[in-house]
Amino acid sequence: GAGVSQSPSNKVTEKGKDVELRCDPISGHTALYWYRQSLGQGLEFLIYFQGNSAPDKSGLPSDRFSAERTGGSVSTLTIQRTQQEDSAVYLCASSLVRDRETQYFGPGTRLLVL
Amino acid sequence: AQSVSQHNHHVILSEAASLELGCNYSYGGTVNLFWYVQYPGQHLQLLLKYFSGDPLVKGIKGFEAEFIKSKFSFNLRKPSVQWSDTAEYFCAVTLSGAGSYQLTFGKGTKLSVIP
Repeated sequence: GAGVSQSPSNKVTEKGKDVELRCDPISGHTALYWYRQSLGQGLEFLIYFQGNSAPDKSGLPSDRFSAERTGGSVSTLTIQRTQQEDSAVYLCASSLVRDRETQYFGPGTRLLVL
Repeated sequence: AQSVSQHNHHVILSEAASLELGCNYSYGGTVNLFWYVQYPGQHLQLLLKYFSGDPLVKGIKGFEAEFIKSKFSFNLRKPSVQWSDTAEYFCAVTLSGAGSYQLTFGKGTKLSVIP
């Protein structure tokens, strides 16, 4: 079946602009996660969704970052007033709630803030 | 908070050589351990995982990993690498129980296999 998809695959924006990154999880996966991979860093956890609610937002680096999920499916990660340090690859993953340890990753969105 | 260290940033091997990639984690409690692989131009894929039981775990494509609790290690091995194993390899850990979804990754080891 179809895997996790993300769009856009690449995004270049100017400092101070807002960006929206989209994730479409595997059908039937109620759990959804966002991670970030900055240059030279490992992947870092940002947020976890179970259905439409986000019980764990502990990894969001600042209040400029927000995420929502509607219909228990598609999720959008929004970064407001982007900064150069936001440049990274943003990865989305999904899983079954009963097997949250086994996560399936999308191809990522490469964000460059100029 | 837990952390994961991967000792080698870049490993270069000839085909048929044996591979061992190091991974150590820091956390005193019960953990789940993972190795992910990212082939050039592709997304992260799960190679293998350890939750409990036999500490020697076999994964896809001939890879295996051994959990040594006393050393907080989960090294990845393959007896004979192929050119197609060229990729970046990430070790990851989650806590068992309530925090079991939050993967903590190492910085990755890039493997280049020379034909």
